[in-house]
Amino acid sequence: KNQVEQSPQSLIILEGKNCTLQCNYTVSPFSNLRWYKQDTGRGPVSLTIMTFSENTKSNGRYTATLDADTKQSSLHITASQLSDSASYICVVRDTGRRALTFGSGTRLQVQP
Amino acid sequence: DSGVTQTPKHLITATGQRVTLRCSPRSGDLSVYWYQQSLDQGLQFLIQYYNGEERAKGNILERFSAQQFPDLHSELNLSSLELGDSALYFCASSVEVAGAHNEQFFGPGTRLTVL
Repeated sequence: KNQVEQSPQSLIILEGKNCTLQCNYTVSPFSNLRWYKQDTGRGPVSLTIMTFSENTKSNGRYTATLDADTKQSSLHITASQLSDSASYICVVRDTGRRALTFGSGTRLQVQP
Repeated sequence: DSGVTQTPKHLITATGQRVTLRCSPRSGDLSVYWYQQSLDQGLQFLIQYYNGEERAKGNILERFSAQQFPDLHSELNLSSLELGDSALYFCASSVEVAGAHNEQFFGPGTRLTVL
């Protein structure tokens, strides 16, 4: 069964600090991995999309890494801002069923 | 604003009833996805349509059905509603070009409350 597991479940950091969120997946055959940011009650917004051959992708202060061998990804947030407070969701797509498997997300709270 | 529209924004109904949620994709996007997000839960993929045809199926209950019309808008029909169906329902659209990343753009969601 395809699964995506994220850790930690929740995280509180101080404004200006860095943090790293983790994603482990068992989806096969792998197509791509996406990180989304979701503000409470709103639709997710894409941060990065990575395929099998991509190890790192950046979007401003967000940097995602992918290790397809160990089936792990991370999202690193640099110099956090209050507006970074949201849920961050890891999503993996398989090439077989073309379906998406969502992680349960990491809820990040940035405090002043 | 993602360019994806969903109506209604809120819906309150009773158990056993049937409702229809509507989604209009971004201009030019051929694919529509439906998701369910229960309170404090992750997003659950329900179903995907591409240019009017069902393309992928997730954890969609038999009481739920969807379709995509020739103008590419989509409807999600939920019937015999139960209390546990209360959730946010999101629609997303993408271009779905072969070989491309095909980023999904999410709508604002419809909040369904079943009493």
